[in-house]
Amino acid sequence: QSVLTQPPSVSGAPGQRVTISCTGSSSNIGAAYDINWYQQFPGTAPKLLIYGTSNRPSGVPDRFSGSKSGTSASLAITGLQAEDEADYYCQSYDSRLSGYVFGGGTKVTVL
Amino acid sequence: QVQLQESGPGLVKPSETLSLTCSVSGDSISDYYWNWIRQPPGKGLEWIGDIYYTGSTNYNPSLKSRVTISVDTSRDQFSLKLRSMTAADTAVYYCARVYRGTFDSWGQGSLVTVSS
Repeated sequence: QSVLTQPPSVSGAPGQRVTISCTGSSSNIGAAYDINWYQQFPGTAPKLLIYGTSNRPSGVPDRFSGSKSGTSASLAITGLQAEDEADYYCQSYDSRLSGYVFGGGTKVTVL
Repeated sequence: QVQLQESGPGLVKPSETLSLTCSVSGDSISDYYWNWIRQPPGKGLEWIGDIYYTGSTNYNPSLKSRVTISVDTSRDQFSLKLRSMTAADTAVYYCARVYRGTFDSWGQGSLVTVSS
């Protein structure tokens, strides 16, 4: 069971907006540690999508955005495209475990 | 741009020790934390541990008793040893660099199967 909780799957039609939640606790997200998001396609390594809660690395479309409130964070994809179909993981640091923690991952399906 | 490449056996027998090496190129191994992360087939990501170029380490408490991570700065490599392997340790093992709490660079991953 992952320290950070994500929904197993979300889906949406092309052009729609979908959001992925990431729920933690006072020892990770609630402790103001940064939230990062990764995108993973089958058979490949995860790729950094959002860092520092809401920042996009160079080359990541602005359709992807991140936010945080309290002990939860969210990744939003607006204008959903077929190429966005992938697994998405949130990640933070946990002070109680003294290490990095990931969410269980969310599979995004484009209908 | 930094590149990471895992190397090691793809098959390990139960109870034996897994040894993997990550070779770093394109940037200095100094001044960063270097990590191992694994992903069982069809499952999520699990952080195993990290090492600073000075040799200081941090491990996932759930694996701490079986894990050793080491670094060789002269060869720009860091390594993972995981003892007493079982079928539950079958996974793709990734090496990755951490910069400001973010895994910003990853290796391509190395599938390790535990089987007799």
